[in-house]
Parts: sequence; structure tokens; C-alpha cells
Amino acid sequence: DQQVKQNSPSLSVQEGRISILNCDYTNSMFDYFLWYKKYPAEGPTFLISISSIKDKNEDGRFTVFLNKSAKHLSLHIVPSQPGDSAVYFCAASVSPIKGAQKLVFGQGTRLTINP
Amino acid sequence: SAVISQKPSRDICQRGTSLTIQCQVDSQVTMMFWYRQQPGQSLTLIATANQGSEATYESGFVIDKFPISRPNLTFSTLTVSNMSPEDSSIYLCSSGDFGTEAFFGQGTRLTVV
Repeated sequence: DQQVKQNSPSLSVQEGRISILNCDYTNSMFDYFLWYKKYPAEGPTFLISISSIKDKNEDGRFTVFLNKSAKHLSLHIVPSQPGDSAVYFCAASVSPIKGAQKLVFGQGTRLTINP
Repeated sequence: SAVISQKPSRDICQRGTSLTIQCQVDSQVTMMFWYRQQPGQSLTLIATANQGSEATYESGFVIDKFPISRPNLTFSTLTVSNMSPEDSSIYLCSSGDFGTEAFFGQGTRLTVV
């Protein structure tokens, strides 16, 4: 039972364009969502998060949008840079307490930025 | 932010043996977690390592197979016992404290032959 789904295993985007990564979830109890970025042979690195009381959170080139009614969130990266090439994981939690969360992850989307 | 050192980074083990993975954080943290990422799959939480008490395991994971220690607020170990090829995965230690997002070690890539 996959509670967090990333239906696109891979995405290829031209440098300078917008990258949009999508994530769907099924558990309506989730109230905190995170995106992690992972390079080969490294652990996931926290990128950006959003609480269910918001519909948008922005941090530099990264923006996360949350649509609770659709149980859908997306990560926008603009402009995309070659260093953004990595695997991106969407994660969700039922606990709003940062650091105390048990995270449920999606399968990941491999983003490739082409020059 | 805090840094997690996890070792070994990779290992190849014979079936039936056990491997202990160590996770060291450079500061005291309240919460430590162990995840597994099987080939082509998402990260799945194995257990929460509690300091001073037994670990709390998620459905599908048991202490006999994955014993965990948490002797202090900076260190934890996960043992993968009586290994079979199905245990071949990346094992990740994660930590966080109240008010900070969870951060991860670099992972241990385990291959069981």
C-alpha cells in the first residue's frame, strides 16, 4: 500500500527551464510534507517543506505547492541548473513536530538537467 | 546543521551472517531513525531508536531480525541478522531534533551473496 506516490520515475529538463516534480498521497492524516534531494552514494538532503495549513512555500529557486483537496503536491525548480540533476523524494508525515517525524517516502523521481 | 557519519559505506556479506551498521551524530539529538531502501523502491522506516529504551519497530520489521541499540544521544547501531539476498538494500540512519528537519547519513549499501 503505497501511501505516497511519485508516478514519474524520471524527468528530463533543459537548463534554465522550469522543472516540475509531482507527488500524490492517499492518507488524509498527513499534515506535513517534505522534499529531499539525493545524489548517488550520498544520503538524502532536505530541500523544502510545507505544512498542511499552507498551500505554497518558497525558498529561492524552489517552490512547493500543496493541493489538499486533490492530495497532491509539486516541487517547482526555476531556473533549473545542471547541479539540480539528482533523485528527488517526496515525503509525508502525520506529525507536525519537526525532527520527531516518521517519514513516508515516495519512490523518487530522477531529474536530469540537460545543458 | 548536524552531521551524521554512517559506516560502513558498503559491504558484501555471506548469507546467514550478520552486519552491524553504526551511526554517529556530531551533536546530541532526540530522535534517531533507521530506514531501508530496497532496489528501485522508496525509503521505508524500519524503526525509531529510543535512547534508554527499546526501539520501536514498524509493521513488518522485528527486533530479532533488526536489533537496534541507542546507548546515548549521539550514537546508534542497526544489526541485520541472519542475512539473506532479500536483505540487499541501502540502509540509512536519520536524525532530527524538535524544530529541525530530519537529516540523513550517507547510507550503507549492503549486498548479500
